[in-house]
Amino acid sequence: KAGVTQTPRYLIKTRGQQVTLSCSPISGHRSVSWYQQTPGQGLQFLFEYFSETQRNKGNFPGRFSGRQFSNSRSEMNVSTLELGDSALYLCASSPLAGGRSSYNEQFFGPGTRLTVL
Amino acid sequence: SQQGEEDPQALSIQEGENATMNCSYKTSINNLQWYRQNSGRGLVHLILIRSNEREKHSGRLRVTLDTSKKSSSLLITASRAADTASYFCATGDSWGKLQFGAGTQVVVTP
Repeated sequence: KAGVTQTPRYLIKTRGQQVTLSCSPISGHRSVSWYQQTPGQGLQFLFEYFSETQRNKGNFPGRFSGRQFSNSRSEMNVSTLELGDSALYLCASSPLAGGRSSYNEQFFGPGTRLTVL
Repeated sequence: SQQGEEDPQALSIQEGENATMNCSYKTSINNLQWYRQNSGRGLVHLILIRSNEREKHSGRLRVTLDTSKKSSSLLITASRAADTASYFCATGDSWGKLQFGAGTQVVVTP
């Protein structure tokens, strides 16, 4: 099976612009999560989607949003970019639906490196 | 905020030696996972240990979990230069949310 793919791999934007990042999960995986990685804050959870529904959200401002399509592909959008949004954005997919008896191993994509100037 | 704290922050060893890193966390967990990251690339899943398990092995990796102390350790035996990477522990809930530690940077020299 092909792994998780993310596009684009690199992106340079300026402050105030908006950006959309795309993630295609492993075939058959219905759960998609997004993480932000920065040198200062480390890896932080943004949100998780399952069957087109956001089930979980991290502590990020409303400028960060996402969605999932019926084919499980997901996009995340950041509006009004700030310098501090420069980061590696990682997408992960998981085969399991979640629930008390499930243990979700996550498979990560290579990430999109966003630079905000 | 980060759930886990890892120790040490950095580790330098020679090929053939064992590498041990520790992870402590704050709240109750469903599972704990270890990931490896090479040079700012994507994360590679290494091993998942459930909250009701105490030890797990995978190849040269051994993970222990002590829920009473809210801690876990990752042991890499017979290290190779290719093991040079950052290693992260992450606590998972049953809905897919992972909370990562700050990571341990491991350098294995030939």
